Amino acid sequence: KQEVTQIPAALSVPEGENLVLNCSFTDSAIYNLQWFRQDPGKGLTSLLLIQSSQREQTSGRLNASLDKSSGRSTLYIAASQPGDSATYLCAAALGTGNQFYFGTGTSLTVIP
Amino acid sequence: GAVVSQHPSWVICKSGTSVKIECRSLDFQATTMFWYRQFPKQSLMLMATSNEGSKATYEQGVEKDKFLINHASLTLSTLTVTSAHPEDSSFYICSASLQAEEQFFGPGTRLTVL
Repeated sequence: KQEVTQIPAALSVPEGENLVLNCSFTDSAIYNLQWFRQDPGKGLTSLLLIQSSQREQTSGRLNASLDKSSGRSTLYIAASQPGDSATYLCAAALGTGNQFYFGTGTSLTVIP
Repeated sequence: GAVVSQHPSWVICKSGTSVKIECRSLDFQATTMFWYRQFPKQSLMLMATSNEGSKATYEQGVEKDKFLINHASLTLSTLTVTSAHPEDSSFYICSASLQAEEQFFGPGTRLTVL
């Protein structure tokens, strides 16, 4: 079974700072990896999806990388804004069944 | 992106009653739907995987007789929590995917069992 861990569990940064969120997974045979944000009491918003054959994906101020051999993915957020405050989850999908195994999440607070 | 809806968005019920939650893919046909559960301050835990027209596959530790999943069509899956108890109170989220590609998540259903 896939184990997914995220570090740090919580992060507080001043507005404008660049930051990196880390995700590690135990089974390198992933099908894809996806990053989400979740606002309190809300569902998930998909941010970036990286297929197993890709090394990174970019969307606006967000960049996600994937290193299957080391079992790691990172989410880079540039020029952070207070609206970025949320919990960020990574999820690794195994095989064609595409079951997602979620990380423990990083709670981000961007201070104005 | 594709849209997945859930109904209801929240429900409060008495202990011992059954609650049905619907998950619909609105603009695509989902070959596979997933059900997750999220307890407060915890991450999402996969409960089961359902493919249209076949029995759901449950994760270890999830009681299949308590959490009944029906995937009767390519756009609808239902999760029924039978004989609900307070410990079943949680945030239930479904997702839908088409041919093992990106998953699209519903907005979630908050269940409170009194």
